[in-house]
Amino acid sequence: AQTVTQSQPEMSVQEAETVTLSCTYDTSESDYYLFWYKQPPSRQMILVIRQEAYKQQNATENRFSVNFQKAAKSFSLKISDSQLGDAAMYFCAYRSARGNEKLTFGTGTRLTIIP
Amino acid sequence: DAGVTQSPTHLIKTRGQHVTLRCSPISGHKSVSWYQQVLGQGPQFIFQYYEKEERGRGNFPDRFSARQFPNYSSELNVNALLLGDSALYLCASSLGGGGFDEQYFGPGTRLTVT
Repeated sequence: AQTVTQSQPEMSVQEAETVTLSCTYDTSESDYYLFWYKQPPSRQMILVIRQEAYKQQNATENRFSVNFQKAAKSFSLKISDSQLGDAAMYFCAYRSARGNEKLTFGTGTRLTIIP
Repeated sequence: DAGVTQSPTHLIKTRGQHVTLRCSPISGHKSVSWYQQVLGQGPQFIFQYYEKEERGRGNFPDRFSARQFPNYSSELNVNALLLGDSALYLCASSLGGGGFDEQYFGPGTRLTVT
């Protein structure tokens, strides 16, 4: 079974600064997807960024980028130029490339932005 | 376009009762998945349905069941409610046609069991 671990329950960053959220996962599969989701107080889970395991290039979406280390099974999220609207719970998630669409989530990191 | 909708928004039930939660996917989406998110935890996968067939089931007791209708909307049913069933229940929809399809989440239903 796959597991996802987020070892930082809480993180804080000054507005306009950069912060990195950590995630490690365990799997015996070679083909899978990794995601970072954001869940603000409104509760709605929003996809921030995704990474296909077969791609060596790290994914980037505007101020959000990942550091994907497949051998180390590590998948961190970097947020640049942090904004007040980035404050939320961030969840790392894994999905196999085979079978159903099951997402396996970590326990989340609460990100606070300090004005 | 409307996103994934869920009803009701909040629900309070008593132990032993039964509850039905509803989800309407994004227009054109044929796959619906259900997740349970206990306070302070990440969501846990309960079911996936595609074209009215169950495609996946998580590690939940038989008290949990679901179905998908011809219009692709879905219901999650929980029987004999326990205090531990108190959680946010999330629904996600996708095109479901194979390969990678992004899942879009609804706002959730907050269930409180007393």
